[in-house]
Amino acid sequence: DADVTQTPRNRITKTGKRIMLECSQTKGHDRMYWYRQDPGLGLRLIYYSFDVKDINKGEISDGYSVSRQAQAKFSLSLESAIPNQTALYFCATSDKNRGTQGETQYFGPGTRLLVL
Amino acid sequence: AQKITQTQPGMFVQEKEAVTLDCTYDTSDPSYGLFWYKQPSSGEMIFLIYQGSYDQQNATEGRYSLNFQKARKSANLVISASQLGDSAMYFCARGSTLGRLYFGRGTQLTVWP
Repeated sequence: DADVTQTPRNRITKTGKRIMLECSQTKGHDRMYWYRQDPGLGLRLIYYSFDVKDINKGEISDGYSVSRQAQAKFSLSLESAIPNQTALYFCATSDKNRGTQGETQYFGPGTRLLVL
Repeated sequence: AQKITQTQPGMFVQEKEAVTLDCTYDTSDPSYGLFWYKQPSSGEMIFLIYQGSYDQQNATEGRYSLNFQKARKSANLVISASQLGDSAMYFCARGSTLGRLYFGRGTQLTVWP
């Protein structure tokens, strides 16, 4: 079984609809992240959470919100979807085990979102 | 700016040959990590290799090695004995003290027979 799962894997929605993308992990990591990937732009950070009570905005948080329901679950919501939010969305987790030298992040399979 | 630069949008290599994918980075942090990820056409992000800024030796993982030149702020990925299954997008990333990763825009590698 995959350590980091995302649901749904694919989603088509209409402009103005509210949608939620869910992420669950069995790695026991405290830290979780949401990224979006657009062609030619690499991955950009939307939100990140170091534990259930610690949630932080990333570089492109406008139009998104998150909820950390438990250590293992981190959800991303688009309150009112717009077409330029069409992208591939990744959830990732990491363990604080290297201090300041950076932590390996492990990614879910991604959710392909199309906003019409 | 936390900039990660991958100057090669696309690279081609013949099967069984070695290939180097370039990556340079900006940082003022004294301590950081460097990462490479592989993204095949199926879309998942696969962790390949890690290098800590204080590590004295270049990291290796099987056919992957990281050519780390700290003074030049470069962290090139070397893939030896390329295989057809190595065809994918490759991303360089730098870790920060806050745990997040900064990604480059990627290099599309094509391995031909």
